[in-house]
Amino acid sequence: DTAVSQTPKYLVTQMGNDKSIKCEQNLGHDTMYWYKQDSKKFLKIMFSYNNKELIINETVPNRFSPKSPDKAHLNLHINSLELGDSAVYFCASSLPTGWGNEKLFFGSGTQLSVL
Amino acid sequence: DQQVKQNSPSLSVQEGRISILNCDYTNSMFDYFLWYKKYPAEGPTFLISISSIKDKNEDGRFTVFLNKSAKHLSLHIVPSQPGDSAVYFCAASTWGGNQFYFGTGTSLTVIP
Repeated sequence: DTAVSQTPKYLVTQMGNDKSIKCEQNLGHDTMYWYKQDSKKFLKIMFSYNNKELIINETVPNRFSPKSPDKAHLNLHINSLELGDSAVYFCASSLPTGWGNEKLFFGSGTQLSVL
Repeated sequence: DQQVKQNSPSLSVQEGRISILNCDYTNSMFDYFLWYKKYPAEGPTFLISISSIKDKNEDGRFTVFLNKSAKHLSLHIVPSQPGDSAVYFCAASTWGGNQFYFGTGTSLTVIP
């Protein structure tokens, strides 16, 4: 079983469309994240949720809206897609250890191409 | 503003030799550092970590060194194997923090 799974793996769409990426983790982790890897390969955090509550919201256009129906799921909805949204989006999760030495577990990524 | 930097986008090493991947950071509040390995079409996977109370952590063929005064860390792989060919990301966080800052990665090629 895949620990952190996200769908779809590839997403090709036209500018102006609305699309969603889904993520699920079966690790029992409390915290989930969305990261964006742009064309320069820079892996940058977008959002983080802890037990369904938003705890990190980096400077991201409000066309991006995360939704966490429960702590095992974190979906990303993107409105009015733009060319610059083309990137690989990674979902991740982590479990607070109490020792501070958390680590992230990543999904395999969603390659989004906006034409 | 990129707080974690990997200035070498690529590195080629002969099988059996040592691979040294470098990482620099700017935020002196960082006290927990991780290395991730990424194969094509897969997500990054955790490799090894180190906290700022140590200057070295070893796990099999992988050793991470931390130089806090220079704000520099490095990953040593000895001996390098062809299966180690991947992109390696350095990441940093504050201890107990839930925000991780990543570098842009170094693509390692181990030549058989």
